Amino acid sequence: GAVVSQHPSWVICKSGTSVKIECRSLDFQATTMFWYRQFPKQSLMLMATSNEGSKATYEQGVEKDKFLINHASLTLSTLTVTSAHPEDSSFYICSARGRWDTEAFFGQGTRLTVV
Amino acid sequence: GEDVEQSLFLSVREGDSSVINCTYTDSSSTYLYWYKQEPGAGLQLLTYIFSNMDMKQDQRLTVLLNKKDKHLSLRIADTQTGDSAIYFCAAGSGNTPLVFGKGTRLSVIA
Repeated sequence: GAVVSQHPSWVICKSGTSVKIECRSLDFQATTMFWYRQFPKQSLMLMATSNEGSKATYEQGVEKDKFLINHASLTLSTLTVTSAHPEDSSFYICSARGRWDTEAFFGQGTRLTVV
Repeated sequence: GEDVEQSLFLSVREGDSSVINCTYTDSSSTYLYWYKQEPGAGLQLLTYIFSNMDMKQDQRLTVLLNKKDKHLSLRIADTQTGDSAIYFCAAGSGNTPLVFGKGTRLSVIA
């Protein structure tokens, strides 16, 4: 299947700093990318959907000024957690889908710990 | 909107078959997926089935779909310790985001 690479795999940052997470589709063009958040022992919660070249669509309750999503090219989307706080600590997973694909391919996830 | 439910835990002995069940609510979902998540890792697509199919088999995996009851199951034959993970059922259609169940934690006892 197609490969989606997410970087970094884990990051520890100080409270108040910003962290950028990258999601790359390595062998296909990802017209749509999804960002999910997963709390321990819980399911995935969709944060936002982004289409290449357009502004991301955020789910209700997700602060768009805090979680900045950029999908500037067909192979790269970034999620920036601004002014991170300990409650932002979580596992963040991206997934990417090509225009004609029926399935979404997932990155390996990024574990963010804010101290 | 779509709601996906699945049991939270399943424990089986090595060599037995595992059956993980899932129900969904939106009959317009056209694709139903099973993902596997190992500790600290992302999601790995195991298999998916179109809503116009009843069954799909792929090596040790068998997916059964009862569209009338909106019930999906994943059977893992000859379950191994390496199959221990969390299994997520997901439903979707077209370019909409997938809706996930809470995941079933499968424990395989040697």
